[in-house]
Amino acid sequence: EIVLTQSPGTLSLSPGERATLSCRASQSVRSSHLAWYQQKPGQAPRLLIYGASSRATGIPDRFSGSGSGTDFTLTISRVEPEDFAVYYCQQYDRSSYTFGQGTKLEIK
Amino acid sequence: QVQLQESGPGLVKPSQTLSLTCTVSGGAISRGDYYWNWIRQSPGKGLEWIGYIYYSGSTYYNPSLKSRVTISVDTSKNQFSLKLSSVTAADTAIYYCARVGFYVSWYFDLWGRGTLVTVSS
Repeated sequence: EIVLTQSPGTLSLSPGERATLSCRASQSVRSSHLAWYQQKPGQAPRLLIYGASSRATGIPDRFSGSGSGTDFTLTISRVEPEDFAVYYCQQYDRSSYTFGQGTKLEIK
Repeated sequence: QVQLQESGPGLVKPSQTLSLTCTVSGGAISRGDYYWNWIRQSPGKGLEWIGYIYYSGSTYYNPSLKSRVTISVDTSKNQFSLKLSSVTAADTAIYYCARVGFYVSWYFDLWGRGTLVTVSS
């Protein structure tokens, strides 16, 4: 099973700042098989990025994804008040799916 | 648009079987465009994929849960269901149903709102 480790656990930023979230895999992941989700309290996760770098429908262009192999990054160019939430990466390998433990983006 | 809605008991006794149903509205499961999944979220284990089913009835389960999980589908009701046997407190979680594409099955593009299941006597 591929283990995903996200860092940092918590990221404290002010609105307007740049956010950089990391997701590291225990073994290589196909870029097409890496996704990012946003979860707000009391809600289900929402797909943000798929294929490591493609934005899902309706996702603002301040969200971007990059990376390959074992290291992937989610970047929010300028954090908006509605972006404070928990972010998860997820991978697919051999018919199974695993998630990272999440990064909480909180208001500084 | 397509929506998913979980339903079932919110409280299950230890050693019993947890049973949940996901009702799909706005699109037919039998179209064959998606795999239909169960995912759970607990404070201890985070997000954990449980398994999926295709409209034909073919399934694939998380190996760590496989011995206790059964997922079934009822295309006439446009529903799919989860049964998890021999539950313990560790199975307390929010349970979500979600879909992945049949042709591009790498990510979950639609989720239900989730339902909290507590295992307690």
